[in-house]
Amino acid sequence: KNEVEQSPQNLTAQEGEFITINCSYSVGISALHWLQQHPGGGIVSLFMLSSGKKKHGRLIATINIQEKHSSLHITASHPRDSAVYICAVLETSGSRLTFGEGTQLTVNP
Amino acid sequence: NAGVTQTPKFQVLKTGQSMTLQCAQDMNHNSMYWYRQDPGMGLRLIYYSASEGTTDKGEVPNGYNVSRLNKREFSLRLESAAPSQTSVYFCASSVGTNSYNEQFFGPGTRLTVL
Repeated sequence: KNEVEQSPQNLTAQEGEFITINCSYSVGISALHWLQQHPGGGIVSLFMLSSGKKKHGRLIATINIQEKHSSLHITASHPRDSAVYICAVLETSGSRLTFGEGTQLTVNP
Repeated sequence: NAGVTQTPKFQVLKTGQSMTLQCAQDMNHNSMYWYRQDPGMGLRLIYYSASEGTTDKGEVPNGYNVSRLNKREFSLRLESAAPSQTSVYFCASSVGTNSYNEQFFGPGTRLTVL
């Protein structure tokens, strides 16, 4: 079993829909990252969380440390949001990130 | 600023050939990383360098060597390429290895080993 599990693996939405991508992990962590991988392959960091909630534009990330779960929400989705979204965690005992497999999001116009 | 740059973007090798993937960053970051990305798997750490002059193995180091040439540059070498090393390779850098440091990624190198 992977230490970091994302769901769903694939998600197709219509423009304007509210989207939720989930990340569950099985180890104690000191921080969780959400990243976006563009269709061309480039990877950018969206959020770093250790507790609570963060918002940037139409993106919202939440984390529940007790339940070992994080969600990434996209409001008013747009075709340009189509990408792979990746969750990564840093274990409290480590210094390196462990990555989930990613969620492929496609937003149709 | 160019951020993190990688060369080459694409490479095809025959089994047994050697090559070096180059990575450079211009953000004065202390830490640098090499990852590989394979279908159906998350990014996996090959090697990392917490600071200039140090390197450490990651999750999948076998078949690779690295050199932290200076603060800017971190290269990954395949001494004798194998088909199992067909992958997309990403270099990344961060201010430090602390989890709160954002990692900045290069554009990737797509390597095929025949």
